[in-house]
Amino acid sequence: KNEVEQSPQNLTAQEGEFITINCSYSVGISALHWLQQHPGGGIVSLFMLSSGKKKHGRLIATINIQEKHSSLHITASHPRDSAVYICAVRSNYGGSQGNLIFGKGTKLSVKP
Amino acid sequence: EAQVTQNPRYLITVTGKKLTVTCSQNMNHEYMSWYRQDPGLGLRQIYYSMNVEVTDKGDVPEGYKVSRKEKRNFPLILESPSPNQTSLYFCASSLRGVSYEQYFGPGTRLTVT
Repeated sequence: KNEVEQSPQNLTAQEGEFITINCSYSVGISALHWLQQHPGGGIVSLFMLSSGKKKHGRLIATINIQEKHSSLHITASHPRDSAVYICAVRSNYGGSQGNLIFGKGTKLSVKP
Repeated sequence: EAQVTQNPRYLITVTGKKLTVTCSQNMNHEYMSWYRQDPGLGLRQIYYSMNVEVTDKGDVPEGYKVSRKEKRNFPLILESPSPNQTSLYFCASSLRGVSYEQYFGPGTRLTVT
């Protein structure tokens, strides 16, 4: 079983729809990242969370530490939001301070 | 402009021919890391460095070497590349570890024949 699971794997939406991408993890963590990988391959950081909720423009990220779950929401989706969204966590366990564990990503396609 | 650069962006090579992929950042970041991305497997960490002269293995270090002699540079060395190292490689950096925002390079697509 993967330590970081994302759902759904693929998502197709119509422009304007509200979108939710989920990330569940099985280890104790001290930080969770949401990343966006554009069709051209480049990766950008969207959010880094350790608790609560963050908002940036139309994007909202939440995390529930007790339930080991995070969600990424996109409001009023647009075709330019089409990308792969990746969840990554820093585990609390062991002595590794620099280790990131990744989910396999959610491929989002927003149709006009 | 704050950025992470990688060179080369594309490389086709043959089995056994040593190669180096360079990574450089201009943000004075302490933390740097290398990842590979493969279809169906996602991103996996190869090596990381918490600071100059401090490196540690990630999840898939076999067949790779790194060094961190200067703060800004973190080259990835493949001493004897094999076809199973064909992949898309990303370098990333952050201020002080993985609890900080990560900045990624543009990626290097490596093909080993």
